[in-house]
Amino acid sequence: DAGVIQSPRHEVTEMGQEVTLRCKPISGHNSLFWYRQTMMRGLELLIYFNNNVPIDDSGMPEDRFSAKMPNASFSTLKIQPSEPRDSAVYFCASLGTGSYNEQFFGPGTRLTVL
Amino acid sequence: DQQVKQNSPSLSVQEGRISILNCDYTNSMFDYFLWYKKYPAEGPTFLISISSIKDKNEDGRFTVFLNKSAKHLSLHIVPSQPGDSAVYFCAASRPSGTYKYIFGTGTRLKVLA
Repeated sequence: DAGVIQSPRHEVTEMGQEVTLRCKPISGHNSLFWYRQTMMRGLELLIYFNNNVPIDDSGMPEDRFSAKMPNASFSTLKIQPSEPRDSAVYFCASLGTGSYNEQFFGPGTRLTVL
Repeated sequence: DQQVKQNSPSLSVQEGRISILNCDYTNSMFDYFLWYKKYPAEGPTFLISISSIKDKNEDGRFTVFLNKSAKHLSLHIVPSQPGDSAVYFCAASRPSGTYKYIFGTGTRLKVLA
């Protein structure tokens, strides 16, 4: 099992540019989560999907952020336009089916907005 | 408002000794708690969990204790090993059936050889 796959691993862009982060969840997992990690706030949940449907997007910071899950094996998080304060590590996670119901995280995308 | 708090940003422990990481929460509706470990440049990985119907769960060198009246949980690592050096996040969830976790800000553990 390849685990949760995220791309790119690193992204450096200039303020005002559009950024798209990608995620492939573990096959068979039906819930997908997008998180942002910063020093000040730790791991913040941005949005999560269940069976490809957005369930809770209350963590999305503002309208510049959007997320889609067109099918069970792919999701995107888009920031348009990007700002320096968006610089962070963005994680995607999918929900396991084990007895602990733990979420499995991808390796993250480190975003730097100049 | 931070519903899950890890007030110690860092902790250093000698190899072989006990590491105790603490976590406090404010929402009494939380009924499931987890600890994740994170190495640099990797995603967090699940370590251990506990349901609110228990006050202790043990898995090898790792034990999680839950004190519901104090809204406090702790992770004990005995004995600590250099490979345990990582950032540890605690997380809590409510019985909404959606598995939405609220994470703390993390504690960086350094185990000194």
